[in-house]
Amino acid sequence: GAVVSQHPSWVICKSGTSVKIECRSLDFQATTMFWYRQFPKQSLMLMATSNEGSKATYEQGVEKDKFLINHASLTLSTLTVTSAHPEDSSFYICSARQRDRGRYGYTFGSGTRLTVV
Amino acid sequence: DQQVKQNSPSLSVQEGRISILNCDYTNSMFDYFLWYKKYPAEGPTFLISISSIKDKNEDGRFTVFLNKSAKHLSLHIVPSQPGDSAVYFCAAREYGNKLVFGAGTILRVKS
Repeated sequence: GAVVSQHPSWVICKSGTSVKIECRSLDFQATTMFWYRQFPKQSLMLMATSNEGSKATYEQGVEKDKFLINHASLTLSTLTVTSAHPEDSSFYICSARQRDRGRYGYTFGSGTRLTVV
Repeated sequence: DQQVKQNSPSLSVQEGRISILNCDYTNSMFDYFLWYKKYPAEGPTFLISISSIKDKNEDGRFTVFLNKSAKHLSLHIVPSQPGDSAVYFCAAREYGNKLVFGAGTILRVKS
């Protein structure tokens, strides 16, 4: 089946530094990638939608200059948390929508636990 | 404003019995619904989906029912197994292919 590889699975960084999270679709082309954030015991909140080769569309309240998304190819999307602060600590998950799946396949990565100290 | 609601934060079921997880939505433009299973510190795993033009979809032990007039869907797991213990998320697809998630229900299956 379709697999999305996300890494790192966890990262600890110092306040003020930047962190990059990668998501790769391993056996399919992902024309659309979604980036979510999950706080403890809460739902997945969509941060942004990115289509290959174009700028990401951010949800209301999400700072696009802080959360940089790049979707340069059909198999790779990255989320960079710039100038991270402790309040950015969260669980980040990507999801890829498959291009040729007639039944709207959405495959999720395994998530990244970010802790900013 | 929560467009997808899972009003039961948790559910406890005996092994072998039926688990019923409920989900309500408010946006009548949703045209596709999905259920995901999630373990802590992992990404969601797809379970089953249903198009808004259907009222039932079955896959092994999992059945999803959709009542469009009530804007309600449910996931039935029969028989429930201890390995089913996880958080279950209901999601709905809206225009632009975005998924909107409910808050999740923790299912515990007791052996």
